[in-house]
Amino acid sequence: QQPVQSPQAVILREGEDAVINCSSSKALYSVHWYRQKHGEAPIFLMILLKGGEQKGHDKISASFNEKKQQSSLYLTASQLSYSGTYFCGTEIYGNNRLAFGKGNQVVVIP
Amino acid sequence: EAGVAQSPRYKIIEKRQSVAFWCNPISGHATLYWYQQILGQGPKLLIQFQNNGVVDDSQLPKDRFSAERLKGVDSTLKIQPAKLEDSAVYLCASSLGDDSPLHFGNGTRLTVT
Repeated sequence: QQPVQSPQAVILREGEDAVINCSSSKALYSVHWYRQKHGEAPIFLMILLKGGEQKGHDKISASFNEKKQQSSLYLTASQLSYSGTYFCGTEIYGNNRLAFGKGNQVVVIP
Repeated sequence: EAGVAQSPRYKIIEKRQSVAFWCNPISGHATLYWYQQILGQGPKLLIQFQNNGVVDDSQLPKDRFSAERLKGVDSTLKIQPAKLEDSAVYLCASSLGDDSPLHFGNGTRLTVT
């Protein structure tokens, strides 16, 4: 039940916006988003628990579309510090194992 | 609060040798996870503990991997014997429980030669 993340990589200039997606073939109970920088541990960004829920963390926000079984992460007015690999972790109904996707690599350049 | 502690930070062994990793979760966190992260991929759950009981070990290669969490606090993951394909970063994480964020340690980078 590994989620599929797209696009695989994004390059954007400081101040630009980007959207990255996470989709599942099964009905989702929750979606987690984490960011990992090279050689470091993944850092928690947010959890979305209800269909339609949107959350924000600084200028990073996320939505959860339960019907489409997907979540999107929005990077607004990107900063250099946003560079890293973003992983979504999904939990399906009836199984509380958190399965991670392969990640979206984001590179923000000056 | 102190984060999740893992040791060692790096380990290089030859195939067929054994290795052990240690993890001390955040105080009060009932749930502990061991993930394997191969280069360029997302973390893959190996085993999940709730206190000292196993919740999920369906993806743990039990012929060579074992894990324990005695007294419901720190945990040890062992590989015996190691294979080349076990080269990866082994991440330990802990959380308060259901619907709570995972806090990851810095991981142990294992290289099997």
